[in-house]
Amino acid sequence: AQSVTQLGSHVSVSEGALVLLRCNYSSSVPPYLFWYVQYPNQGLQLLLKYTTGATLVKGINGFEAEFKKSETSFHLTKPSAHMSDAAEYFCAVRLSGGYNKLIFGAGTRLAVHP
Amino acid sequence: EAGVAQSPRYKIIEKRQSVAFWCNPISGHATLYWYQQILGQGPKLLIQFQNNGVVDDSQLPKDRFSAERLKGVDSTLKIQPAKLEDSAVYLCASSSTGEGQPQHFGDGTRLSIL
Repeated sequence: AQSVTQLGSHVSVSEGALVLLRCNYSSSVPPYLFWYVQYPNQGLQLLLKYTTGATLVKGINGFEAEFKKSETSFHLTKPSAHMSDAAEYFCAVRLSGGYNKLIFGAGTRLAVHP
Repeated sequence: EAGVAQSPRYKIIEKRQSVAFWCNPISGHATLYWYQQILGQGPKLLIQFQNNGVVDDSQLPKDRFSAERLKGVDSTLKIQPAKLEDSAVYLCASSSTGEGQPQHFGDGTRLSIL
């Protein structure tokens, strides 16, 4: 069965520091992978997605993620954190077959302090 | 383009009462999803429509939850009767058809059961 594991339910960084949010997946077929961000009292907003092709994916707001098949990972990074990056981040994998069904991780809450 | 619209934003009811949520997807999106997001967890798919047909409702508690998408556009999700454990945010999302198409989310309805 396909699943998503996000390591660390809470991550805290200083403003200007590197952001690294970890995501590992299990999938029996090449996956489609997504990162979403959720600000308080809002829905999820797509940050970036990996489908095929280049394994380093660039998204909005300076975020990027690298698909590493050998490690079954899709970690999200940003070189320099801003206060506005404080939010909840969700990694998701599309299930094979079916109709574009996503399985979400439990989320990582990112705190950015001055 | 206009995003996914949901109403109401907040709802408070007592247990055993009924409640309904409404969703209007992005124009032209054939696929519509309803998710339940319990505090501190990732979204969990309740039901997925392709046009006005159900393609996945495997995690919908059918004894109390129902959903419809008449005419393949708007959708309503109903809970009757509500239980305390139904307290959650209910998110609606839509996507175009095709592999790897991202899902676009509304801001959700926060439901509190007293």
